[in-house]
Amino acid sequence: ILNVEQSPQSLHVQEGDSTNFTCSFPSSNFYALHWYRWETAKSPEALFVMTLNGDEKKKGRISATLNTKEGYSYLYIKGSQPEDSATYLCAFRRNTGNQFYFGTGTSLTVIP
Amino acid sequence: NAGVTQTPKFQVLKTGQSMTLQCAQDMNHNSMYWYRQDPGMGLRLIYYSASEGTTDKGEVPNGYNVSRLNKREFSLRLESAAPSQTSVYFCASFRGFWRGGQETQYFGPGTRLLVL
Repeated sequence: ILNVEQSPQSLHVQEGDSTNFTCSFPSSNFYALHWYRWETAKSPEALFVMTLNGDEKKKGRISATLNTKEGYSYLYIKGSQPEDSATYLCAFRRNTGNQFYFGTGTSLTVIP
Repeated sequence: NAGVTQTPKFQVLKTGQSMTLQCAQDMNHNSMYWYRQDPGMGLRLIYYSASEGTTDKGEVPNGYNVSRLNKREFSLRLESAAPSQTSVYFCASFRGFWRGGQETQYFGPGTRLLVL
C-alpha cells in the first residue's frame, strides 16, 4: 500500500483569500499525479493530470505544480470564491499498472 | 453519452444479506474500478479491472467479489453484508493517455449503502 498524504486536512478561508495545499507521494516509480475536485453529494471531477517534473497546470484561478524528484504537488487557488468550497483530492499512479492511490483530501470552505 | 452510471443510488441491507452493485460506462474504456469512501479515509480501492476479462484486488477487497461482465459493465457483489461495509461506493472508468489528450478517470454518481 502506497502512502499519499494531503495537508492540511481542512481549511477555512475568507472570500478573496488565496490558498494552497499539498499532496505528497512516493518519488519512485512515478507515472502521473491527478487532482480532483469533489463537491458534497457529487462525484469527483478531474482538475489536472500532471506527468512531468516541473509541470505547471492552470485552469482559471486554480493552478498546480509538480515535483516528482521530491514527491510533492501543490494546488493553488487565487482569490477564493464560495463556489470553490469542496474537497480536493490527489491520486498517484505509478509506472506499473493502472491502479490509483488516493490521498484523504483537503476540505476547503470559503466563507463569504 | 451517459458516462459512468451506477445502480442503485441508495440501499439498506440487513447483516448477512447479499446484493450486487451495478456499474456501466459507455466511453469504451478498458479499465474500471470500485472504490469505497468512508469519513476521513478518502477513496480506497476495492477491486479494479485493467481490461475485459481481468480483475485484481485493491487495498480493501475482503468481503467483496467483482465481475467484469463485458467491456461496459463491472459489478461489485457483497455476499454477506456486514455493518463495516456501510459506505459510499464509487465506480470509475479510466482512459489512458492518447494522442488527442490526457489520461482521465471518470466517476459514477455513487451508491450509498447502509448495513444494519
